[in-house]
Amino acid sequence: AQTVTQSQPEMSVQEAETVTLSCTYDTSENNYYLFWYKQPPSRQMILVIRQEAYKQQNATENRFSVNFQKAAKSFSLKISDSQLGDTAMYFCASRGYTGTASKLTFGTGTRLQVTL
Amino acid sequence: EPEVTQTPSHQVTQMGQEVILRCVPISNHLYFYWYRQILGQKVEFLVSFYNNEISEKSEIFDDQFSVERPDGSNFTLKIRSTKLEDSAMYFCASSDRGAGNTIYFGEGSWLTVV
Repeated sequence: AQTVTQSQPEMSVQEAETVTLSCTYDTSENNYYLFWYKQPPSRQMILVIRQEAYKQQNATENRFSVNFQKAAKSFSLKISDSQLGDTAMYFCASRGYTGTASKLTFGTGTRLQVTL
Repeated sequence: EPEVTQTPSHQVTQMGQEVILRCVPISNHLYFYWYRQILGQKVEFLVSFYNNEISEKSEIFDDQFSVERPDGSNFTLKIRSTKLEDSAMYFCASSDRGAGNTIYFGEGSWLTVV
């Protein structure tokens, strides 16, 4: 079984500043994947970034990067140079490796507001 | 870029009616999913589907729900005898492989049961 915890229900950041969203997880699996999804007001689920647990190097996608601490089971998302379009709900999710179609388990989300 | 498409984007139905939500997964994907998000809550897994059968389902996915891949492109979720608490956003998703690969989501079908 997998659980994902996001302890920050809401966060705010000024445009052009940097913000970090926290996520911790628990899993009994040896191999797994971690994801951050963005859900803007349109409510579409958009993949932001993914991390393979067996890779030590932190994933980076343009202004988005993660700090993956496997021993601590922590997977935080850093958004640099925040833009108004980053305003959205951000969900951390994990996915196991076993089974042919292992499901995503989501956290409760962090609502990020980017202000002028 | 290929995407998962869902119809309808919004449906209002009366309590007790049957609803079919439709999805066209990304064409070369083999694994299909339905997730649900009640307003203000987190996204919940309903069911996964592979090789024309259900791979896994959650406790939410009871006899009221069924899924089908009627042809080579569509993937449907049927909700029988809808209840008020079925009001939610329903997301279809797909991935090309199972374990670990990224799951891509559609834009969702917003179901309102009145």
